[in-house]
Amino acid sequence: AQKITQTQPGMFVQEKEAVTLDCTYDTSDPSYGLFWYKQPSSGEMIFLIYQGSYDQQNATEGRYSLNFQKARKSANLVISASQLGDSAMYFCAMRERYTGNQFYFGTGTSLTVIP
Amino acid sequence: DVKVTQSSRYLVKRTGEKVFLECVQDMDHENMFWYRQDPGLGLRLIYFSYDVKMKEKGDIPEGYSVSREKKERFSLILESASTNQTSMYLCASSTATGTGQFPLNEQFFGPGTRLTVL
Repeated sequence: AQKITQTQPGMFVQEKEAVTLDCTYDTSDPSYGLFWYKQPSSGEMIFLIYQGSYDQQNATEGRYSLNFQKARKSANLVISASQLGDSAMYFCAMRERYTGNQFYFGTGTSLTVIP
Repeated sequence: DVKVTQSSRYLVKRTGEKVFLECVQDMDHENMFWYRQDPGLGLRLIYFSYDVKMKEKGDIPEGYSVSREKKERFSLILESASTNQTSMYLCASSTATGTGQFPLNEQFFGPGTRLTVL
């Protein structure tokens, strides 16, 4: 079974609008972390935001927030006030505390911001 | 500024050649990883290493080997390159997860190597 599922291969958003990128995960480990990365066309993976499984509040980093719904095993990334520079691939990833060393990645969502 | 560096951004090799991709990190991380990235397939783990001289196979190790003789350096080797190994290769590093360690730390990535095998 897939550990991380991203069901949106491509998304479009108007500049200055908000957009939600979906991510669902599968784990039986009660302790885990969820990560979002951005990959611009240059290729480098940029870490955006982290959510721990025991965190009571949704993580936020500037214009990025993570909508964490633990019972649904969902960790959607919300980008507010989209900018042209947000156009990139976005990857959701998970790390389990007790398997520890591996990171599991989704297949990514390509976001295009339209002026 | 923390860094993961990779020896080449672009590489063109011929079928059958032996190819070395080098990765160096300066963060004293225990774990290092090699992924390949292909459109629509996301990142697939080739190998990872959790300590010097230690390695674990990932999801797609066939046709690849690795070497970690020093903590900061992790090499990916294509013993006999084939055209189906044309891809983007990403190196990453992270701290280990010790017992009781939370939050779990992220991976840091290098800039990637776009390898073309002709």
